[in-house]
Amino acid sequence: KNEVEQSPQNLTAQEGEFITINCSYSVGISALHWLQQHPGGGIVSLFMLSSGKKKHGRLIATINIQEKHSSLHITASHPRDSAVYICAVVSNFGNEKLTFGTGTRLTIIP
Amino acid sequence: DAGVIQSPRHEVTEMGQEVTLRCKPISGHDYLFWYRQTMMRGLELLIYFNNNVPIDDSGMPEDRFSAKMPNASFSTLKIQPSEPRDSAVYFCASSYLRGASEQYFGPGTRLTVT
Repeated sequence: KNEVEQSPQNLTAQEGEFITINCSYSVGISALHWLQQHPGGGIVSLFMLSSGKKKHGRLIATINIQEKHSSLHITASHPRDSAVYICAVVSNFGNEKLTFGTGTRLTIIP
Repeated sequence: DAGVIQSPRHEVTEMGQEVTLRCKPISGHDYLFWYRQTMMRGLELLIYFNNNVPIDDSGMPEDRFSAKMPNASFSTLKIQPSEPRDSAVYFCASSYLRGASEQYFGPGTRLTVT
């Protein structure tokens, strides 16, 4: 079983829909990252969080440490949000190693 | 700042050749990470440095892979000899301070070994 599981693997939605991507992990963590990888291949860090909730524009990330679960939400989705979204965790064993989920491929149809 | 810089962006080489990938982190960042991305295995951490010192190289696949960071502004990842299964996109990332801070990724080097 992977330490980091994401769901769904693929998601297609209409422009304007509210999007939720889920991430569950099995280890104790010090932080969780959400990354975005565009079709061109570049990777951008969206959020790094260790508790609660963060918001940036139309993107919201939440984490529940007790349940070992995080969600990434996109409000008023747009075709330019089409990308692969990757969840990654840093274990609390004292180093900075990131363990990645397999990613969620999001496609927003105009 | 120009962000994390990687070179070359694309590399095609024949099996058995030596390959050197280069990375310049963001100035002032204390941590540098090398990742590999393949369709089969996704993103994997190969090695990371803190203040130019290798901290965790447990992700380096085998002795054919080596990484160095001779100073705060430059790192190399070398594969010798290269094999077709090394074909992947290799990303370098850097971050500031410890505590799992935000990482900034370079554009990646797409390596093809024929």
